Amino acid sequence: DVKVTQSSRYLVKRTGEKVFLECVQDMDHENMFWYRQDPGLGLRLIYFSYDVKMKEKGDIPEGYSVSREKKERFSLILESASTNQTSMYLCASSPSGTGLNEQFFGPGTRLTVL
Amino acid sequence: AQTVTQSQPEMSVQEAETVTLSCTYDTSESDYYLFWYKQPPSRQMILVIRQEAYKQQNATENRFSVNFQKAAKSFSLKISDSQLGDAAMYFCAYRSDNSGNTPLVFGKGTRLSVIA
Repeated sequence: DVKVTQSSRYLVKRTGEKVFLECVQDMDHENMFWYRQDPGLGLRLIYFSYDVKMKEKGDIPEGYSVSREKKERFSLILESASTNQTSMYLCASSPSGTGLNEQFFGPGTRLTVL
Repeated sequence: AQTVTQSQPEMSVQEAETVTLSCTYDTSESDYYLFWYKQPPSRQMILVIRQEAYKQQNATENRFSVNFQKAAKSFSLKISDSQLGDAAMYFCAYRSDNSGNTPLVFGKGTRLSVIA
């Protein structure tokens, strides 16, 4: 059974803290993605990676960075957390090959920044 | 940039009835890929159905089917014989790249309630 896991389901941090959100997939997928989900706004892409050590900015990269040192792991970093980064963060992965390939999602991390 | 529009923020349906969720998209591409995802209250997104634009036949997965109108750039989802477990957020998504290496572009979602 394919699986994308995220390090925490719920996370509470203070303003100014450095925050790491970890995502691991066990499907040997080339592509990994970080989305942010807010009510009424749907899913917005933060960053994605199509290979180890490669990254591409999405629609809302400001305030975030990413790291992909191993194929199975894609980390999202909030360098200095702010209250407007309180949100649900979803990680996904997908294989290369065809545009019809499914993106598999993790369960999400609900981050609250106080 | 491609955009995906879901014009119904919320919908409801009686159990065992049929409901249709709307999705339109904006693109200048001739070949592309469309998806419907479901996010139940537990929050894990799962794929419901997908369709390639150059295939005219509408995709079907059990009680779920799509009405793909390429000229109108419309990709609606029909759920037949609705069940309580169908209650969820539904997201329509688009991908233009045929390598599979690009992210999906999502609509803002439709929250579906199922009334017993």
